[in-house]
Parts: sequence; structure tokens; C-alpha cells
Amino acid sequence: GESVGLHLPTLSVQEGDNSIINCAYSNSASDYFIWYKQESGKGPQFIIDIRSNMDKRQGQRVTVLLNKTVKHLSLQIAATQPGDSAVYFCAENLDDKIIFGKGTRLHILP
Amino acid sequence: AAGVIQSPRHLIKEKRETATLKCYPIPRHDTVYWYQQGPGQDPQFLISFYEKMQSDKGSIPDRFSAQQFSDYHSELNMSSLELGDSALYFCASSLGQGSYEQYFGPGTRLTVT
Repeated sequence: GESVGLHLPTLSVQEGDNSIINCAYSNSASDYFIWYKQESGKGPQFIIDIRSNMDKRQGQRVTVLLNKTVKHLSLQIAATQPGDSAVYFCAENLDDKIIFGKGTRLHILP
Repeated sequence: AAGVIQSPRHLIKEKRETATLKCYPIPRHDTVYWYQQGPGQDPQFLISFYEKMQSDKGSIPDRFSAQQFSDYHSELNMSSLELGDSALYFCASSLGQGSYEQYFGPGTRLTVT
């Protein structure tokens, strides 16, 4: 069965606001999580990753938070831009396979 | 920087035909993974190869087969195509087995009519 999943299929955010995309996972042994961005007609693009020995990791305009107690991770995008419009997947690397969650489509409102 | 190359980018086949998808990994990457993404679905792992040997197998139909060649490129062969095989097929590559970072190609869109 699925190991990771996302709460919302779509999220609409005003341009310039911060976006928060949430994900829950079920396998407490999972130790490596990745967020991917997929634009229409393109392959998944790595955004940021986090290992289970961390609870926060920051990149350029993105932050991933990991709460192992409730098995939840989130992707925060600061100052959302039109180019952020895409489907976002949380995923885990399990035995050298990427297990994707269902994906959240991020819509940017003008 | 060189990325994963997939060909063709689009392919239209009829039911019961065969199709061959090709993947050229990032130079020096020796591990290749294949994923299938149906319309509105998340990508699903099909099969992987490391150093020309199959390393893992996921939800890949028996009608599909794949191999990795001496130059590390890989081919996914699909026979007796069904309408439900219509999907995006992604290849990803990594350096070594157990590497956490997999780099995805642009995908091949297969349409079966």
C-alpha cells in the first residue's frame, strides 16, 4: 500500500503569499523524504530533501519540516510566484525506490 | 549540465502493438529506474537496473520487459499494448545503488488507441 500521501489535491495561493503543502506518511521506519515539483508535461524535479535525523531544512525560498512524532512533513514556499504553479509530490526513498504520494496542485492567484 | 534523455518524447500505438522506450542516463550514472504515471496519478515504480543487472522490480506487467546495456542506457519494451498502458513513462538515473538522489528525465508520453 501507499506509504506517503498528501492531504489536499489542490491548493490556491495568492501571488506573493507563502504556500504550505502538507504530507503524511505511515511507515515509521522511513528515513529519507523528498519533495518534487512536476510541471505539466515534465518529469519530477527535485526541490528539497530531508533525512529523519533532522526536523527542518531550508533551501532557496523553500523549507521542509519533518515531524516524526505524528509522521508529517510539509513544504513551505515563501513569496509564491507564478512559476511555482505545478503539482508537488512528497516522496520517500524506500529500498532505492521512490515512493510518491498523491500530489497537490498549487494554483497561483494573481 | 547533462540530464537524463528519453526517446521518443511522444509515441502513439494501437492496441496489441509493441513499443520500445529508451533512456540515456546522466553520464557516469550506472543505475536506471523506470516509473509509470497514469493520467492524474502519482508515478509508480516499475523496475530498476544497476550495472546492467536488474536490481528491483515493482508493479511491472509481465508484458513489459527492460534491460540495461553496456553503455548504461536502458530500454523498456512493451508488448500487447492495452489502452490502460497510456501513460507518461519516466526514467531516472543515479550514481550507484542506494543513492538517495534520483534524477528524472522528461518522460515519454505513450498513447495507446
